[in-house]
Amino acid sequence: NAGVTQTPKFQVLKTGQSMTLQCAQDMNHEYMSWYRQDPGMGLRLIHYSVGAGITDQGEVPNGYNVSRSTTEDFPLRLLSAAPSQTSVYFCASSYGLTGANVLTFGAGSRLTVL
Amino acid sequence: GQQVMQIPQYQHVQEGEDFTTYCNSSTTLSNIQWYKQRPGGHPVFLIQLVKSGEVKKQKRLTFQFGEAKKNSSLHITATQTTDVGTYFCAAPSSNTGKLIFGQGTTLQVKP
Repeated sequence: NAGVTQTPKFQVLKTGQSMTLQCAQDMNHEYMSWYRQDPGMGLRLIHYSVGAGITDQGEVPNGYNVSRSTTEDFPLRLLSAAPSQTSVYFCASSYGLTGANVLTFGAGSRLTVL
Repeated sequence: GQQVMQIPQYQHVQEGEDFTTYCNSSTTLSNIQWYKQRPGGHPVFLIQLVKSGEVKKQKRLTFQFGEAKKNSSLHITATQTTDVGTYFCAAPSSNTGKLIFGQGTTLQVKP
């Protein structure tokens, strides 16, 4: 049981490049989400999904796209990277669909945009 | 939008001293969760509080939920170097139901 797996762990991009952060969970969780963590800002919700084929925006969705074609996978796409997207990104999942359910986090992906 | 304010942002203590972090909301919370993130690591769930005035303990950690369910605290007794990390509170947004995280309190412990 691997839990939540994120790849890559580290990535350096140039402004304007695109990339996809991968997230996979093997716990059959319905709810999956992406957070970004910046110093002094806590964890801010980017996008989330309550099941395959269903996605929605969080607090800071601009510049990011997501899709959920399977229960297991929830990739985060940066179409045209900007320095403001330099951050640590965490994927998290839970059984339930509400804030009463506990989140399991991946190990994180550290992204630097030059 | 709804915010969960957490203070202090940083705390440096001598090993053996106590530590407390506070989480406050302007609205009533249905529940509150606490997570710990070790340096270079990812957030890990510690506990969830649901009832008004609830107090839960995990060894040297004591978690409290206020009577009005608008604030919470995490108290660590006699800190150890293993307590180093960032502690986050999180609560469901009244609008979306999704978890909103406080800014976190980073604890440093001097041996």
